[in-house]
Amino acid sequence: DSGVTQTPKHLITATGQRVTLRCSPRSGDLSVYWYQQSLDQGLQFLIQYYNGEERAKGNILERFSAQQFPDLHSELNLSSLELGDSALYFCASSDGQGREIRGETQYFGPGTRLLVL
Amino acid sequence: GDSVTQMEGPVTLSEEAFLTINCTYTATGYPSLFWYVQYPGEGLQLLLKATKADDKGSNKGFEATYRKETTSFHLEKGSVQVSDSAVYFCALMGRGGSQGNLIFGKGTKLSVKP
Repeated sequence: DSGVTQTPKHLITATGQRVTLRCSPRSGDLSVYWYQQSLDQGLQFLIQYYNGEERAKGNILERFSAQQFPDLHSELNLSSLELGDSALYFCASSDGQGREIRGETQYFGPGTRLLVL
Repeated sequence: GDSVTQMEGPVTLSEEAFLTINCTYTATGYPSLFWYVQYPGEGLQLLLKATKADDKGSNKGFEATYRKETTSFHLEKGSVQVSDSAVYFCALMGRGGSQGNLIFGKGTKLSVKP
């Protein structure tokens, strides 16, 4: 158990819909990262938050957005869903900023499996 | 940009066989290197890491050495067990555009038969 929790575990929805994925980081961790795992693209970094502020962006679509709240939990919002958005979405957390600190470990949650029909 | 290339799978071995999974990287400067493991139905777990050249990461019988001259971080284990069956991901954390976030290889699925 990494200490990172994600809800829901599974999500089935239709094209055009909007969903929210939730992540609670390990106690004390200030950084939250979102990753997407799909068969064709593999594991890709989406976005990072540190203590409530956006820190880095990866291959995140404009239809996707995220935020980190004062209690440090984070939500990833996916809108206007397409079939190709079906994937496993992971949240990870670390105790550092991810910047200027090399090699800090990221702890991954169990993921949310999204199926868009 | 930064990238990781690891050997394609799947890899099937018999119990107690020697394992090598190759990983090479392209990055600006000196990234940190990681191996993560994903067991069926679970999230990723850190297996080992190395943060500078010639460092050796080790855990649960697995080892990998950070080779700057060959830009490699190959994963090895002397005697695999059935319980090692999983998908293994090589990853880097760089100093340039990818600093802070992990860049992953495509993963290598390992199946160990009794």
